[in-house]
Amino acid sequence: DTGVSQDPRHKITKRGQNVTFRCDPISEHNRLYWYRQTLGQGPEFLTYFQNEAQLEKSRLLSDRFSAERPKGSFSTLEIQRTEQGDSAMYLCASSVTQGPGELFFGEGSRLTVL
Amino acid sequence: AQSVTQPDIHITVSEGASLELRCNYSYGATPYLFWYVQSPGQGLQLLLKYFSGDTLVQGIKGFEAEFKRSQSSFNLRKPSVHWSDAAEYFCAAPGGKLIFGQGTELSVKP
Repeated sequence: DTGVSQDPRHKITKRGQNVTFRCDPISEHNRLYWYRQTLGQGPEFLTYFQNEAQLEKSRLLSDRFSAERPKGSFSTLEIQRTEQGDSAMYLCASSVTQGPGELFFGEGSRLTVL
Repeated sequence: AQSVTQPDIHITVSEGASLELRCNYSYGATPYLFWYVQSPGQGLQLLLKYFSGDTLVQGIKGFEAEFKRSQSSFNLRKPSVHWSDAAEYFCAAPGGKLIFGQGTELSVKP
């Protein structure tokens, strides 16, 4: 069990550029979540997948944000035309479907938009 | 709507002293409740979880938490804090997905 892995760990970009983050969940987990965390705040839910289906999206997920999980394994989160307000830690987590939903988190991808 | 509140943004305790971090939830049914810890620049690690049954749950690193339905609380405790416990602590409850409190930053004085 290698845990949840995220790549890249850090990304610095200029405003207006596109960025993409990747998340590889724990292999037997069929649910995958994306959260955003800004300094001094708790993680805020963005979206989640069950297998390849995107089941819920937060209103925080503007149309510049898109997430995919094409084969029900890894997932990508793309941010188009980045803005300084997008600077945050993007956390990925996975879980099994049954049960109370304990989430296992990756180390996160920190985005800095200049 | 479900919500989780952590009233204390920052707490400082002396090493060796006891600790209690507060968490209040708003949830219709009997909730599942979690405490996570986050060290600087890191992801979140599960400390403990409450599903049902015994209202006092034990976790890793010597932490425990008590579920009190009458007070809608799930406070985290540790009898003797170590300097390595300095971190951010988050309480969470499910709402389809996990909903997190704002977090409590713990500082430990030598």
